[in-house]
Amino acid sequence: RKEVEQDPGPFNVPEGATVAFNCTYSNSASQSFFWYRQDCRKEPKLLMSVYSSGNEDGRFTAQLNRASQYISLLIRDSKLSDSATYLCVVNIQATGGSYIPTFGRGTSLIVHP
Amino acid sequence: GAGVSQSPRYKVAKRGQDVALRCDPISGHVSLFWYQQALGQGPEFLTYFQNEAQLDKSGLPSDRFFAERPEGSVSTLKIQRTQQEDSAVYLCASSRSVRSSGTSHTQYFGPGTRLTVL
Repeated sequence: RKEVEQDPGPFNVPEGATVAFNCTYSNSASQSFFWYRQDCRKEPKLLMSVYSSGNEDGRFTAQLNRASQYISLLIRDSKLSDSATYLCVVNIQATGGSYIPTFGRGTSLIVHP
Repeated sequence: GAGVSQSPRYKVAKRGQDVALRCDPISGHVSLFWYQQALGQGPEFLTYFQNEAQLDKSGLPSDRFFAERPEGSVSTLKIQRTQQEDSAVYLCASSRSVRSSGTSHTQYFGPGTRLTVL
């Protein structure tokens, strides 16, 4: 079982729709959670950090549920330009003690007219 | 300011050839990470430096993979005797730090080096 799991999708939604992605992680001691966006053949770029209290940035809302060990990303009023792969990242402690940013495989979102 | 840069952007190697991939992190960034990304997958951790110290190399797939960051700035990932399964995009990322508590600053990624082994 992978340490960070995401549904690969694709999620195919019309413009204006609301879409939500979940990401589960296996290590309860995990610290620091992020959502990154990756466009086709480009590098990942930070979309937003995820805080315990939940946080919102415009149309994007991220939440953390430590009890159930998942984070979520909600996108409201989807735009064509939101089409991309959304990567979940969790800092997981390795056996040597250091924390390693661990990526999920990503969820593909396609927003169509 | 300048972001993370990587070179070459594309590399085609014959099976058995050695390759060296370079990463220039953002100036002043203490932490540097190397990832391998196969098609349709998320980036897989390879190794991590804090300044010149390689703190974790548990993700390196075999002893053919070697990374260094001798002066705590530029890093090189070397792959010896390349195999077809090494074909992937190799991403480098830097950040201000990763704290011992596990919290960390944002990672900034370079554009990657796309390696194709024939």
